[in-house]
Amino acid sequence: GAGVSQSPSNKVTEKGKDVELRCDPISGHTALYWYRQSLGQGLEFLIYFQGNSAPDKSGLPSDRFSAERTGGSVSTLTIQRTQQEDSAVYLCASSLGGGPHNEQFFGPGTRLTVL
Amino acid sequence: AQSVTQLGSHVSVSEGALVLLRCNYSSSVPPYLFWYVQYPNQGLQLLLKYTSAATLVKGINGFEAEFKKSETSFHLTKPSAHMSDAAEYFCAVRGNNNDMRFGAGTRLTVKP
Repeated sequence: GAGVSQSPSNKVTEKGKDVELRCDPISGHTALYWYRQSLGQGLEFLIYFQGNSAPDKSGLPSDRFSAERTGGSVSTLTIQRTQQEDSAVYLCASSLGGGPHNEQFFGPGTRLTVL
Repeated sequence: AQSVTQLGSHVSVSEGALVLLRCNYSSSVPPYLFWYVQYPNQGLQLLLKYTSAATLVKGINGFEAEFKKSETSFHLTKPSAHMSDAAEYFCAVRGNNNDMRFGAGTRLTVKP
């Protein structure tokens, strides 16, 4: 069956430009998470969507970062006015529910390089 | 707040040798603990998870981990390493917001 997909797989952009990263979760999964994996910082939680509830944005590093989840399915992570320190692999995960025992399934990630 | 610490950023073993990757956790509530593996240029794959049902947890690819409350540990082991086990391994604990709090990762190298 289809897993979590992310696009693009690689994105190179210039400092100051905006970027949009897309995540398609597994069908039927109500919970969706964004993480960032960067050298020196490891894996960091960014944002969490559960059903129709307001998202948990506590991990977003600055107000340049935002995310939406339309129709409870596809999610888009937007980074405005990108900086070089935004360079990282952005991982999306989904799970059947938001409970702590539910396995999170990860996508392959989007590698963002800001020049 | 929940957190995990992985001891050793790099571990090198010979093929056929025991693999031991260390993880200690900190949690104010009974933790949900996970081990993930990441192969080069791939996403994270769940190896195993602890959800309080049993302290010895068996996962995929011959890996297992034992939850030890007295030591606040959840070390990952495999009796005999294969070349295909070379990857980065992440220990994680579920946070209060159901996010996953990851350790810094341990890169496993398997020598022939």
